Amino acid sequence: GAGVSQSPSNKVTEKGKDVELRCDPISGHTALYWYRQSLGQGLEFLIYFQGNSAPDKSGLPSDRFSAERTGGSVSTLTIQRTQQEDSAVYLCASSLGTGTTGELFFGEGSRLTVL
Amino acid sequence: GENVEQHPSTLSVQEGDSAVIKCTYSDSASNYFPWYKQELGKRPQLIIDIRSNVGEKKDQRIAVTLNKTAKHFSLHITETQPEDSAVYFCAASSGSGGGADGLTFGKGTHLIIQP
Repeated sequence: GAGVSQSPSNKVTEKGKDVELRCDPISGHTALYWYRQSLGQGLEFLIYFQGNSAPDKSGLPSDRFSAERTGGSVSTLTIQRTQQEDSAVYLCASSLGTGTTGELFFGEGSRLTVL
Repeated sequence: GENVEQHPSTLSVQEGDSAVIKCTYSDSASNYFPWYKQELGKRPQLIIDIRSNVGEKKDQRIAVTLNKTAKHFSLHITETQPEDSAVYFCAASSGSGGGADGLTFGKGTHLIIQP
């Protein structure tokens, strides 16, 4: 595709349910990031994948959050037993990941609302 | 790790006037400083960036200045127009590639252009 694609664009769930958010990065981009953006807030780093290396999970707020990246392409962010404070926009970004930090291309985000 | 402070959190200027947003960083090893613009409901997009081997970079009405000694950098927008209304994020990176040790974002500045 031409850009980073995320789905669903909107998700409303009940407290305690599990949710999965999907990110399809730009073809050829080896670096993939997940960020969380709460209403009116900045970009909170969650997790980073680079090629086949072990992901940097240092930003995940709790063990209810996990992410996978299969085949070095599509990534799924899973939130188990959702809580109301998990409500936010979850942004995925990808970059060439050539070793020197460069432009991040963001998706439109997945807006999660936990009732 | 890197800490990026951004000011002001909200900036209101008259159309046609200039706007300046300032950021400071803590890690003297940081060498890449991008600025992202996020329009309401849209994805963040890179508008300009600067690397530490230069002190200033311009692109039409937008310029970024970097003072490595003082560890601060600024975004300057001249002749502001309604379409400049958005949230602007600064970021700093030591070039390690990504993750928690890579790109660190400021909390954002909501720029409002008054007609």
